[in-house]
Amino acid sequence: GAVVSQHPSRVICKSGTSVKIECRSLDFQATTMFWYRQFPKQSLMLMATSNEGSKATYEQGVEKDKFLINHASLTLSTLTVTSAHPEDSSFYICSGYGGNTEAFFGQGTRLTVV
Amino acid sequence: LAKTTQPISMDSYEGQEVNITCSHNNIATNDYITWYQQFPSQGPRFIIQGYKTKVTNEVASLFIPADRKSSTLSLPRVSLSDTAVYYCLVGYNQGGKLIFGQGTELSVKP
Repeated sequence: GAVVSQHPSRVICKSGTSVKIECRSLDFQATTMFWYRQFPKQSLMLMATSNEGSKATYEQGVEKDKFLINHASLTLSTLTVTSAHPEDSSFYICSGYGGNTEAFFGQGTRLTVV
Repeated sequence: LAKTTQPISMDSYEGQEVNITCSHNNIATNDYITWYQQFPSQGPRFIIQGYKTKVTNEVASLFIPADRKSSTLSLPRVSLSDTAVYYCLVGYNQGGKLIFGQGTELSVKP
């Protein structure tokens, strides 16, 4: 299947700093990218949907000024967690869709805010 | 968006066939049914997708009845490495939202 590469796989940052997570579709053009967060023993929760060249659409309860999403090209989307706090510690996962009927997921990023 | 309902957990033994059923009563005409597998601290991995009847690939089969209000993922002869969480998704087509339900935690024992 298609490959979505997500980096970094894990990151530790200090409270108040910002962290950027990259998601790249390596062998297809991702017209749509999804960003999720997942807490331990829970399912994936959709945070936002972004289409290339457009502003992201955020799910209810997700702060768009805190979780900045950029989808400037068909192969790259980024999620920036601004002014991170310990409660933002979670597993973040991206997914790309390129016109087929299934989406492909990145490996995930374990964010720990200390 | 169609909501999905799956058993929270299932236990099996190596070599057995495992069937996980998902209910999706409000599935729309254009919706596909997709199953993903997730291991701890990894992103979900695509297993199989179907629209109606039966689909089979090298790892699983997907059975969909005529009314499409449910689907069954069949894993033949499971091994310990099949221990994971399995998610059934519907309501996703041509780039629409991809919403995850609670998933089924499958535990395969020796």
